Amino acid sequence: AQSVTQLDSHVSVSEGTPVLLRCNYSSSYSPSLFWYVQHPNKGLQLLLKYTSAATLVKGINGFEAEFKKSETSFHLTKPSAHMSDAAEYFCVVTPGITGFQKLVFGTGTRLLVSP
Amino acid sequence: KAGVTQTPRYLIKTRGQQVTLSCSPISGHRSVSWYQQTPGQGLQFLFEYFSETQRNKGNFPGRFSGRQFSNSRSEMNVSTLELGDSALYLCASSVSGDRLETQYFGPGTRLLVL
Repeated sequence: AQSVTQLDSHVSVSEGTPVLLRCNYSSSYSPSLFWYVQHPNKGLQLLLKYTSAATLVKGINGFEAEFKKSETSFHLTKPSAHMSDAAEYFCVVTPGITGFQKLVFGTGTRLLVSP
Repeated sequence: KAGVTQTPRYLIKTRGQQVTLSCSPISGHRSVSWYQQTPGQGLQFLFEYFSETQRNKGNFPGRFSGRQFSNSRSEMNVSTLELGDSALYLCASSVSGDRLETQYFGPGTRLLVL
């Protein structure tokens, strides 16, 4: 079965410093991977997705992620954190062989950004 | 284009009651999925509907059910509520539910069971 593991439950950074949120996946097949963000009292918003095209994926708000098959990782990065980035981030996998979407979420990483 | 809307936004019920939550997808989207979010279990897939048919189902008891109407609006129902059903219920829509599509989420319905 496909799954994702988010290695950190909380990450704290200072504004203007780089962000790294780590995600490892487990999949018997070529997965589709996503990063979603959830701000307090709001729904989930897609940041970026990997669907077996380019391994370096650029998303919204300056975020990007790199798919590394050899490391089974899909870490999310941003060069410079902004206060508005404070939120919960979810790494998500969807099975690579079925036609229909069924998102499997990681446990989430809460990003804290201090001034 | 209007986003995914969910009603009501907040709900308080007591154990044993039943509840119906509603989701209106983005215009043109025919796939609607439901997810439950709790602090203990995280985000879990409930079920997915397309053209009024349930195509996918998660590991939830039969007390959780849903349906989809011809206009793609969807409802989910939870019968005989338990304390553990307290959660944020999120609805998401996409054009056809293909695994490569982006799912757009609504703001959720927060259910509190007392």
